Amino acid sequence: GAVVSQHPSRVICKSGTSVKIECRSLDFQATTMFWYRQFPKQSLMLMATSNEGSKATYEQGVEKDKFLINHASLTLSTLTVTSAHPEDSSFYICSAAGPGTSGRWQFFGPGTRLTVL
Amino acid sequence: SQELEQSPQSLIVQEGKNLTINCTSSKTLYGLYWYKQKYGEGLIFLMMLQKGGEEKSHEKITAKLDEKKQQSSLHITASQPSHAGIYLCGAVSGGGADGLTFGKGTHLIIQP
Repeated sequence: GAVVSQHPSRVICKSGTSVKIECRSLDFQATTMFWYRQFPKQSLMLMATSNEGSKATYEQGVEKDKFLINHASLTLSTLTVTSAHPEDSSFYICSAAGPGTSGRWQFFGPGTRLTVL
Repeated sequence: SQELEQSPQSLIVQEGKNLTINCTSSKTLYGLYWYKQKYGEGLIFLMMLQKGGEEKSHEKITAKLDEKKQQSSLHITASQPSHAGIYLCGAVSGGGADGLTFGKGTHLIIQP
């Protein structure tokens, strides 16, 4: 299957700082990337959908000014958590879908554990 | 919005025994995914079902999608310690490149 990487795998930051998480599709062009969040012992919740070259679409309840998404190329999407607070501590996972897949084949990254102190 | 109900929430099974996990949707499923996750790690793709009545198997895991495309089951035969983890069903709610809606997961523990 296709490979999707995330960097960093773990990050600890102070409250008020911004953190950038990268999601890369290593062996295919991802026209669409998705960002999910998973709180402890809960399921994954879709945060936003990003299409290469256009603005991301955010799910209800997700602040677009707090979670900045950039999908500047077909292999890279970034999620920036701005002015992070302890309640933003979570496991962030991205997935990538290639062209012609109608979003039905999504390949997930290994996730990024964010801890905000 | 689409909701997925998984049952049971947790399951403790003796090694070697069979088990079944269910996933029920409030709407017709356009695609149903099964993933396995170790806590705090990424998702491991298991299977994807699209057609009503479809059944797929991989090693000792079999997944089925009912004819009405609203319920799926994941069956593990002769469970092993390596099967332990969290099993998630996810679904595409529409025909476009939509993100997945996930169930809350089933935590499977295998007792030696």
